[in-house]
Amino acid sequence: GAGVSQTPSNKVTEKGKYVELRCDPISGHTALYWYRQSLGQGPEFLIYFQGTGAADDSGLPNDRFFAVRPEGSVSTLKIQRTERGDSAVYLCASSLMGGIGKNIQYFGAGTRLSVL
Amino acid sequence: KQEVTQIPAALSVPEGENLVLNCSFTDSAIYNLQWFRQDPGKGLTSLLLIQSSQREQTSGRLNASLDKSSGRSTLYIAASQPGDSATYLCAVWTQGGSEKLVFGKGTKLTVNP
Repeated sequence: GAGVSQTPSNKVTEKGKYVELRCDPISGHTALYWYRQSLGQGPEFLIYFQGTGAADDSGLPNDRFFAVRPEGSVSTLKIQRTERGDSAVYLCASSLMGGIGKNIQYFGAGTRLSVL
Repeated sequence: KQEVTQIPAALSVPEGENLVLNCSFTDSAIYNLQWFRQDPGKGLTSLLLIQSSQREQTSGRLNASLDKSSGRSTLYIAASQPGDSATYLCAVWTQGGSEKLVFGKGTKLTVNP
C-alpha cells in the first residue's frame, strides 16, 4: 500500500481481555516500530523490529505486552489481561531500513484502544 | 536518559502571523532531530529532518534550526494559515539509544482566520 496501515482504527475492550493490533508497513520497509501515545503526551517507544527479529523491546512496559513480525512484513502487537491504564493510541511506523538515524520513520494513523 | 521538552504547550495566533515553536533536549549526542505534524485522529507526518551535522532545513514556509551543543531546535512557520492548525511534535534520535525516537509532548497550534 501507499502508507502504513493499522487495523482496527478503534478498539473497545473490557478489562482483563486479550487484544491484537495489526500493522501493515510500507512495502519494502525492513524496519518497523511500535509506539504508544497517551492523552496529552508524545509517543513513547515500545519495540523495534529489523526484519523478523525484535532488535529492541526495551520499551514494552511489562510481560503482558508482546509483538511479532513472523515474515518480516506485517506485525501484530498483543496485549494480555488488558488494564484501564493500557488505554492509549498505539502507533506503528516503518522505515526503509534501520540504521543510525538516517531514515525517516513513516507513521500510520494509529489504533485507539479503550479499556473499560 | 534523553528528555525532550516543547514550549509552549499551546499557541493561538491570527492568520498571517509568523511564529516560532521551541524544542529542547537534554542529551546533545544525537544523530538527528525531526519535526512532525499530528492532526486530530491521524498519525504523524514528518515535516523536516535535520541531521546532527546540519544547522537548518527548509521546506516551503517551514524552517527548522538545530543548535546541537545547546540542545535546542526551533520550528519557524511563516505567514501562518488556518490549515496549519495541528499539534507539532519534536523528536530526537539519540546516539547509543537504539533505533527509537524520543518525543516531546508537542505544541498545539491554532491559527484563527
